[in-house]
Amino acid sequence: GQQLNQSPQSMFIQEGEDVSMNCTSSSIFNTWLWYKQEPGEGPVLLIALYKAGELTSNGRLTAQFGITRKDSFLNISASIPSDVGIYFCAAPLNAGNNRKLIWGLGTSLAVNP
Amino acid sequence: KAGVTQTPRYLIKTRGQQVTLSCSPISGHRSVSWYQQTPGQGLQFLFEYFSETQRNKGNFPGRFSGRQFSNSRSEMNVSTLELGDSALYLCASSREGGDRPGNTIYFGEGSWLTVV
Repeated sequence: GQQLNQSPQSMFIQEGEDVSMNCTSSSIFNTWLWYKQEPGEGPVLLIALYKAGELTSNGRLTAQFGITRKDSFLNISASIPSDVGIYFCAAPLNAGNNRKLIWGLGTSLAVNP
Repeated sequence: KAGVTQTPRYLIKTRGQQVTLSCSPISGHRSVSWYQQTPGQGLQFLFEYFSETQRNKGNFPGRFSGRQFSNSRSEMNVSTLELGDSALYLCASSREGGDRPGNTIYFGEGSWLTVV
């Protein structure tokens, strides 16, 4: 199936460090979404981006919608142990329909206290 | 308010059997989507229902089917199970269609299916 290109695949960091991950595609999207999934749970929406160039924050999380509309970035500042999980980027395959999402394969984050 | 509820959470089936998974969306949400999640392929879109009608369909074989009831609850069915169908099946609901702020998609905890 179709997927977004997400990197890095995994990260192991020390508590307090900042984290950056990104997602790219050869296609243009009107929406970029970032989700977090913890073990045994479904994905939970962290940040939604609807405009090229948009920079949006949610607490220690900041995400940006790339100017080219082909990429997005997620940053986590001052990481804490509860940041552990898998972070996914997602984007709607068809404009006007954000229920049919395509996804990156995720960035697995481990935080060493 | 209650989130998206999926049942059963875990199940084991034998090759060739069929399985039905259930999803109760958040109250007031009319759109229900289903996704398959596997380690190798990530999340793959199965189909989406809105007001009892299938509006979108992913690239899965006809063994995968679904339906939505008048109360927006949805079921998906997989017939003639194969080993490769082992996965986490996620249901997601949203209030309505459209790619715009506020129409957030909420996921359930998923149903873990193991085919042996």
